[in-house]
Amino acid sequence: GENVEQHPSTLSVQEGDSAVIKCTYSDSASNYFPWYKQELGKGPQLIIDIRSNVGEKKDQRIAVTLNKTAKHFSLHITETQPEDSAVYFCAATPMEYGNKLVFGAGTILRVKS
Amino acid sequence: SAVISQKPSRDICQRGTSLTIQCQVDSQVTMMFWYRQQPGQSLTLIATANQGSEATYESGFVIDKFPISRPNLTFSTLTVSNMSPEDSSIYLCSVSGGGQPQHFGDGTRLSIL
Repeated sequence: GENVEQHPSTLSVQEGDSAVIKCTYSDSASNYFPWYKQELGKGPQLIIDIRSNVGEKKDQRIAVTLNKTAKHFSLHITETQPEDSAVYFCAATPMEYGNKLVFGAGTILRVKS
Repeated sequence: SAVISQKPSRDICQRGTSLTIQCQVDSQVTMMFWYRQQPGQSLTLIATANQGSEATYESGFVIDKFPISRPNLTFSTLTVSNMSPEDSSIYLCSVSGGGQPQHFGDGTRLSIL
């Protein structure tokens, strides 16, 4: 089955700097890769996703890149703000919406002001 | 996106007892899932709740321990049976369908004494 590895486990950046979180997956059949942000006491919130027929997707300060050949995808956050501090999870699935998600271990992002 | 409500939001239970967690969605959804998030860990899928039929369980999870019901397209319950301290976790409901990605409720924080 699918296995998703996520790095780093913790990331501290200065406010205004960029943050990059990387994930690798094992199943070449996976074709949908969402990213979730989880704040303390809340459930995971979808922040951006990408399908395997796209190499990059951007939404304001957040972007995701996908390299299908190398089986890795990354989350990029620019101009970080204190409210970006949270746990971020990547996930992969072979079916866009209707199938189970396999999650990475998570990255604790701390943005220092 | 769908609004997902989970009840209770948190509970403290005695070992050996059972607790039923409810997940209510404000619109009909095709897929409903139950995940477990152990303290400081990532999310692991327990089962897919199937409307009108038995849930589909992932490896390591069994119906006797985690019975699931889904009587209609907007409601599901997860029961954690014969609880032990190892069952202390966050239990999360998620939904997808109608061309929408998976969205999560805020979870039920369960502590077993």
